[in-house]
Amino acid sequence: QKEVEQDPGPLSVPEGAIVSLNCTYSNSAFQYFMWYRQYSRKGPELLMYTYSSGNKEDGRFTAQVDKSSKYISLFIRDSQPSDSATYLCAMSPGGSTLGRLYFGRGTQLTVWP
Amino acid sequence: NAGVTQTPKFRILKIGQSMTLQCAQDMNHNYMYWYRQDPGMGLKLIYYSVGAGITDKGEVPNGYNVSRSTTEDFPLRLELAAPSQTSVYFCASTTGHRYRDNEQFFGPGTRLTVL
Repeated sequence: QKEVEQDPGPLSVPEGAIVSLNCTYSNSAFQYFMWYRQYSRKGPELLMYTYSSGNKEDGRFTAQVDKSSKYISLFIRDSQPSDSATYLCAMSPGGSTLGRLYFGRGTQLTVWP
Repeated sequence: NAGVTQTPKFRILKIGQSMTLQCAQDMNHNYMYWYRQDPGMGLKLIYYSVGAGITDKGEVPNGYNVSRSTTEDFPLRLELAAPSQTSVYFCASTTGHRYRDNEQFFGPGTRLTVL
């Protein structure tokens, strides 16, 4: 079993839709949870960063972490064509792990006008 | 700040050739990483470094080598290129400060094809 599982999609939604992206994980030591956005032929860029369980909101984006279920989500409200990208979840135990991240495979999202 | 820069952007190699992928960062980050990304497969860690003169293997180090002589630069060396090394290579860095040492900043990538 991979440490981080993510459905690769592809996911295609109309503009204005609410998008839900998810990852599950098996390592209960993970404390830090991130979502990266990667546009085509570009490097990943950090979108959301959360520590432990709970919700974090930033504009149209909300990240949720449920450590009891080992499940994290990213919600995008009022999705726009500019949100079309691949979304990668990443996580880390933190502490003395030297910044190493464990990535999901990424979910490809297309938002059509 | 230029952030994390990588050269070249693209490269085609013949089987058995060698090359060095360059990576530099101007954010004074201590930790640097090399990943490869195959289509639909996420990012796999090749090598990482926590400071000048200190490197260690990641998940998929075979066929690669690294060095870190300065804080800014972290080149990745491919010896005897093989078709299995066809991939997109990303360099990343992070501060190494407590609580934020896992917020990685990525370069634009190098697309390598081995024929």
